Formats: sequence, structure tokens, C-alpha cells
Amino acid sequence: DAGVIQSPRHEVTEMGQEVTLRCKPISGHDYLFWYRQTMMRGLELLIYFNNNVPIDDSGMPEDRFSAKMPNASFSTLKIQPSEPRDSAVYFCASSLSDGGWGYGYTFGSGTRLTVV
Amino acid sequence: GENVEQHPSTLSVQEGDSAVIKCTYSDSASNYFPWYKQELGKRPQLIIDIRSNVGEKKDQRIAVTLNKTAKHFSLHITETQPEDSAVYFCAASKAGGFKTIFGAGTRLFVKA
Repeated sequence: DAGVIQSPRHEVTEMGQEVTLRCKPISGHDYLFWYRQTMMRGLELLIYFNNNVPIDDSGMPEDRFSAKMPNASFSTLKIQPSEPRDSAVYFCASSLSDGGWGYGYTFGSGTRLTVV
Repeated sequence: GENVEQHPSTLSVQEGDSAVIKCTYSDSASNYFPWYKQELGKRPQLIIDIRSNVGEKKDQRIAVTLNKTAKHFSLHITETQPEDSAVYFCAASKAGGFKTIFGAGTRLFVKA
């Protein structure tokens, strides 16, 4: 398996533009997570899905952010309109459930977003 | 909600010495505690984890201990090497949602 695949690796965009980040989880993993990492705030959970259904989006900063998972092998995180404070590294991660226990994540390589 | 605190934020050790990173969690229902290592510019990677039904787990030079009563868990790295230099994150999650909360991270420097 190629692991969790994210695209693009780097994105530079102008303020006000729409940005779409993409993620392909590991085949067979039933959980998918979107995290944002900054020096100031560390790793923040934005939203996560179980079997393609959004479970908790309480970390999504505001209505400018939206995420979808149309099928088990693809998810998108969209920012519209983008702002400079959205600049961060966005990680996608996937995981298996294991009965009543948590399970380790496999992270993608991340998308470094710069909004100018 | 769950909160995970991690100390120290920076740790510098001499090659060959041991390093210890400590975390506390707030939600007594948490039952799974993974540790991730993130090298500069790379993704976080799972290096070891522990479930709440055991008190200690070891994998070569790294070990994790868990004290459920005190809600503390720690990462121990022995015989440190320069390639251990990275940011280490502790985390906690519980059954029923698998929402993992991360600590703020510890930047470990191993001096050759």
C-alpha cells in the first residue's frame, strides 16, 4: 500500500481564492481525519469521518471550511475564501477501528498551504 | 473535553543519555495512548502506543509507562542517538469516537 496520499504537497494562493486539498486514505481504513498544524496551535483536529460519514466537525474554524468524503477512497477539504491566517500544514490521516480501542493513525505527507 | 498536557516543550541531551517526556490527560475514559515522532518537514509517525489495560510497553530503546490513577503517561528513550532528534507528540483517545487529542509536542535535541 502506498500509504495515505495527499495532494498537492504545496499550494500558494492569493487571499480570497478557493483552495481544495485532497486525500486518499489507506484501503480498508474506516476512519479519516483532517488536522491542521501551525507553530502557534500545534496539531488541531478539524473534522473526522467514519465510513465516509462526518462524525465530528467541531474543530472546523468557520464556515469558510468544508470537507467531504464521497467514497471510501477520497476526501477533500475546501477553504473558500482563503485568508492569510489559514496558512498552515494540513495533514490527512486514516485509521482502523479495533473494537472498543483507539488505533494509531497513518498520516499523509501533508499539504503546505500559503495564502498571500 | 479531553486535554493533554506535555512536558517539557524542549529537551536537550547528550548522545547516549536517556530522555523522558511526560504527559497528563484529563478524561478518565481515555484508553489508548499513542506517541508520534515528527522529523523536520516530515509527517508524524507512530512509534509506540499503549492501551489502558497495561502499565508498560517496551520496543527496543523506547518504552512507555502509564499510570491510570494519576492520569500520567511517559515516553522513555534510552541510549539516545542523533537520529532521535525530532518533535515527539503524546496523544490520548477513547473508544466510541477515536478522536485523538495531541499534546503540544516536545522538541528533542540529541547532541553528538
